Amino acid sequence: RKEVEQDPGPFNVPEGATVAFNCTYSNSASQSFFWYRQDCRKEPKLLMSVYSSGNEDGRFTAQLNRASQYISLLIRDSKLSDSATYLCVVKDTGFQKLVFGTGTRLLVSP
Amino acid sequence: DTAVSQTPKYLVTQMGNDKSIKCEQNLGHDTMYWYKQDSKKFLKIMFSYNNKELIINETVPNRFSPKSPDKAHLNLHINSLELGDSAVYFCASSRTGAGNTIYFGEGSWLTVV
Repeated sequence: RKEVEQDPGPFNVPEGATVAFNCTYSNSASQSFFWYRQDCRKEPKLLMSVYSSGNEDGRFTAQLNRASQYISLLIRDSKLSDSATYLCVVKDTGFQKLVFGTGTRLLVSP
Repeated sequence: DTAVSQTPKYLVTQMGNDKSIKCEQNLGHDTMYWYKQDSKKFLKIMFSYNNKELIINETVPNRFSPKSPDKAHLNLHINSLELGDSAVYFCASSRTGAGNTIYFGEGSWLTVV
């Protein structure tokens, strides 16, 4: 089983749609969680951290369920510029090691 | 002002050659990393250094040798390049601490022919 699993997609949605991505992780001792965004032929960039109580940043909402070892990202009112690959990321305890999921590709069309 | 910079950005080389990729960060971070992203886009850590000390060494062939002359630099040297080494190599850095953001360089596209 992979340490971090995501549906690779692609998710094809029209502008204005709401889309949700899910992610599961295997290490119950993981302590920090993130969503990164990677554009084609670019480096990954932090989109948002994920907190236990859930958190929102504009059109983006992240949720964490530690009991189920499950992380989600909700994007409301999708924009063309949201087209990218969204990487679920878990940080292991102790070492400064980020474990990446394989990413979910989002394509937003006019 | 590039926070994490790596060179070269593109590298095409023949099998069997030895090559190096350099990385520098100007963020004052104490931890640096090398990640590899293969053709299937899977991003996996190779090495991590904290204050010039190796703290993570994943299962990487010993043809790959990282070197950290100081906290701001982490170079990657690859001996006897193989076709399977073709990938994008990302350097990254962060401050020590579970929640600290990791910043990536723009990547080095290595093609072995």
